Amino acid sequence: EADIYQTPRYLVIGTGKKITLECSQTMGHDKMYWYQQDPGMELHLIHYSYGVNSTEKGDLSSESTVSRIRTEHFPLTLESARPSHTSQYLCASRGGQATNEKLFFGSGTQLSVL
Amino acid sequence: AQKITQTQPGMFVQEKEAVTLDCTYDTSDPSYGLFWYKQPSSGEMIFLIYQGSYDQQNATEGRYSLNFQKARKSANLVISASQLGDSAMYFCAMREGPAGGGADGLTFGKGTHLIIQP
Repeated sequence: EADIYQTPRYLVIGTGKKITLECSQTMGHDKMYWYQQDPGMELHLIHYSYGVNSTEKGDLSSESTVSRIRTEHFPLTLESARPSHTSQYLCASRGGQATNEKLFFGSGTQLSVL
Repeated sequence: AQKITQTQPGMFVQEKEAVTLDCTYDTSDPSYGLFWYKQPSSGEMIFLIYQGSYDQQNATEGRYSLNFQKARKSANLVISASQLGDSAMYFCAMREGPAGGGADGLTFGKGTHLIIQP
C-alpha cells in the first residue's frame, strides 16, 4: 500500500484566497510530482522535485508554486485562487531512477474556486 | 503531437466478458516504460501493470495482461473475465528514458471510461 497522503480531500474557496495543498509521503522517496486533472480528462504534470531544495516546472504551465524543504513534504501553493484553478490535484512519488519505477499516488485534492 | 493516444473515450462491456483497452504511443527513445492505471470514481490512481521497451514477453498481473506490439507502438490492456468493480477510468502512460527529453514523470493519455454492465 502506498503511504502518500494529501490534505484536504476537498476544498471550496473564494476567489483571491491563498491556499496550500499538502502532500506527504513516508516512503523516503526522493522524486515527487504534482499533476492537475480536469474531470474525465488526462493528468498533466505541473511540478516535480528530485529531492530537497529541488523543484522544476512540468509540461503544463501553472500559476502554482511548490517547495521541498523536507524529503517527505511537497506542498503546492496558489497565492491568489481563481475559478480557472478549479480542478483535481494529484500528488505522486517514486523511489528509484529506473524507467520501470511506478508512481505512487495520493488520493487527490478536489479544489473548487468560486 | 500526442505521445499517448487512447482512442476509446468510453466502453460498455457485459460482466464476465474480456475487454481490450487500446493504447498507442509515440517516442523516438529506445528505452521507455509503459504503465496502465485505474482511476475509480473516488479519484485515486491504482497501478495495474508495467511493460518495458526491452521486455521480451508481454506483462501479466492476475486478470490484467498487456498486449505489447513494439513495431506498431501499441500497448493494449486486456482484462479477462470483467467484473462490476472494474468500472472506472483507465489511463495508459509512458516514461521515456534520458533521450526522450521533456520533464520527468509519466505522460498520460486521455483515458477510457469503462463501464461493466451486469
